[in-house]
Amino acid sequence: AQKITQTQPGMFVQEKEAVTLDCTYDTSDQSYGLFWYKQPSSGEMIFLIYQGSYDEQNATEGRYSLNFQKARKSANLVISASQLGDSAMYFCAMREGRVGTGNQFYFGTGTSLTVIP
Amino acid sequence: GAGVSQSPRYKVAKRGQDVALRCDPISGHVSLFWYQQALGQGPEFLTYFQNEAQLDKSGLPSDRFFAERPEGSVSTLKIQRTQQEDSAVYLCASSLRLAGETDTQYFGPGTRLTVL
Repeated sequence: AQKITQTQPGMFVQEKEAVTLDCTYDTSDQSYGLFWYKQPSSGEMIFLIYQGSYDEQNATEGRYSLNFQKARKSANLVISASQLGDSAMYFCAMREGRVGTGNQFYFGTGTSLTVIP
Repeated sequence: GAGVSQSPRYKVAKRGQDVALRCDPISGHVSLFWYQQALGQGPEFLTYFQNEAQLDKSGLPSDRFFAERPEGSVSTLKIQRTQQEDSAVYLCASSLRLAGETDTQYFGPGTRLTVL
């Protein structure tokens, strides 16, 4: 089974509008972290936002917020007031907390976001 | 430098050649990771170091892949006798703390390897 599932290969959003990028995850661990990264065409993975499994509040970082629904195992990224520079690939990732798991990140297949002027 | 750096940014190799990819993590970061990203896919884990110790190499696709971090800072990923299926972007990431904690990984710009 896939650890991270991103079901939207591509999304379009009008400039200044909000957009939600979907992410579901699969783990049996109680402790884990969820991350979103942005990858522009230059290739670098840019960290956007983090949500810990024990965090009761949804994480927010500027225009980014994470809609964390633990029971549904979903961690959707919401980008408010989209800008042209937001056009990029977006990856959801999970890191399991058990010692000995290697602490690797499991990534989804990504969502390509295009902001339309 | 402030971030993770990788070199070279681009590498073209003929099939059968050996290549070495370098990663300079953020200063003071204990953990270092290598990932392979095929075109149109998310990164996939290759190997993980805690300081100079390679604690997990379960993602290395074959014994042609070898990674080291002898002094606990700079790391090198070596691919011997390259094959066309090795063509991908190789990403390096580092994180501040030790294994077992869910802290953020910071990525370098990657090395795009093309095997002809």
